[in-house]
Amino acid sequence: EVQLMESGGGLVQPGGSLRLSCAASGFTFSVFGMNWVRQAPGKGLEWISYISPTSMTVNYADSVKGRFSVSRDNAQNSLYLDMNSLRDEDTAVYYCVRQFDNNGHYVPYFQHWGQGALVTVSS
Amino acid sequence: EIVLTQSPVTLSLSPGDRATLSCRASQSVDNYLAWYQQKPGQTPRLLIFDATHRATGIPARFSASGSGTDFTLTISSLEPEDFAVYYCQQRSSWPPLTFGGGTKIEIK
Repeated sequence: EVQLMESGGGLVQPGGSLRLSCAASGFTFSVFGMNWVRQAPGKGLEWISYISPTSMTVNYADSVKGRFSVSRDNAQNSLYLDMNSLRDEDTAVYYCVRQFDNNGHYVPYFQHWGQGALVTVSS
Repeated sequence: EIVLTQSPVTLSLSPGDRATLSCRASQSVDNYLAWYQQKPGQTPRLLIFDATHRATGIPARFSASGSGTDFTLTISSLEPEDFAVYYCQQRSSWPPLTFGGGTKIEIK
């Protein structure tokens, strides 16, 4: 069974930093692209970052580019999101999400989601 | 950036009704569109991929159509568990991967 478990959320002041982690299990982590998707309270879904299986390709939404950094450790089956210069509008639940496996063809839809980590940016 | 516009924002229906949800893209996404369902307090669930294909385990009452810029998700007969928020998402041109704003199906 695919499992994704985020940790590291919490309350942080504007301008502060936080690191989210995602522990993956139940699948071969090293072959899947991984994403971070966030959802502000009562709002819709926003993709914020992608990292390819070998970390060769990383992408960010404009809203977080230059402030957030995604990384992974395939040996530890772990995904990370380093968040700096946090703003009030970054307050959201952050989901670690695995790419969709269409019979061995991995495509950027979102198939498996962690339960999310709440990040609250407030003074 | 491809913008996805979903309509209506809210759909008020009764169990057994047919639901028709729309997703319109600001430019062609070919058939590279997915639909998700999110129930309160739960994570989103992938329903449809590549515009028309049901994901594993999705009931047959969910169907979808469209290509290019106009897409439709249809629920043929609403079950109580189908009252939720539905999102579309494109993978045609990215980054960024983008979602629509969502359609909420509520009980009338």
